[in-house]
Amino acid sequence: DAGVTQSPTHLIKTRGQQVTLRCSPKSGHDTVSWYQQALGQGPQFIFQYYEEEERQRGNFPDRFSGHQFPNYSSELNVNALLLGDSALYLCASRGDMNTEAFFGQGTRLTVV
Amino acid sequence: GQSLEQPSEVTAVEGAIVQINCTYQTSGFYGLSWYQQHDGGAPTFLSYNALDGLEETGRFSSFLSRSDSYGYLLLQELQMKDSASYFCAVRGSGTYKYIFGTGTRLKVLA
Repeated sequence: DAGVTQSPTHLIKTRGQQVTLRCSPKSGHDTVSWYQQALGQGPQFIFQYYEEEERQRGNFPDRFSGHQFPNYSSELNVNALLLGDSALYLCASRGDMNTEAFFGQGTRLTVV
Repeated sequence: GQSLEQPSEVTAVEGAIVQINCTYQTSGFYGLSWYQQHDGGAPTFLSYNALDGLEETGRFSSFLSRSDSYGYLLLQELQMKDSASYFCAVRGSGTYKYIFGTGTRLKVLA
């Protein structure tokens, strides 16, 4: 079992650009959540996808959007990048009735 | 608002026992989880408490008191590899998101 996989692992973008991050959930998991983790902080919830729909959203602007595909994989899109968007972006998956969330290794995004 | 408080840093020696506390304030409550994160790594699940009391998993134990909005993670027989950040996380009722604390950095000294 490959667990939760994310790509790319590192990314450098310029302010104003757009970025797409990808996540493949652990086998058998249908729920995907995205988190932003700034250096020295805990992960902050961005949104969760289930059955290809955004089920819940955290306090993030509309520049942050996502998508879930029929195979349960997911994308996180961020438009009009700001320097403050630099962070580790984590994807977590779980089966809907399972309380344990499995995290991927994350994508380290640097905005310059 | 919703918040979780943890000590920022804890230091202990190999073989010792350390307790990391977490107090929370949330709208409703489903359960308290603990995650370990090594530098540059992903958070990995350690334990989950939905009911009051102690849950034991090997060297790690976790405790919850819902009436006090308080929990702790107990690490026994500390090893150097336990040096990492530890996060408590709460899922409130009627919500699917986990709220994480700011994390406790544990340093294990030889």
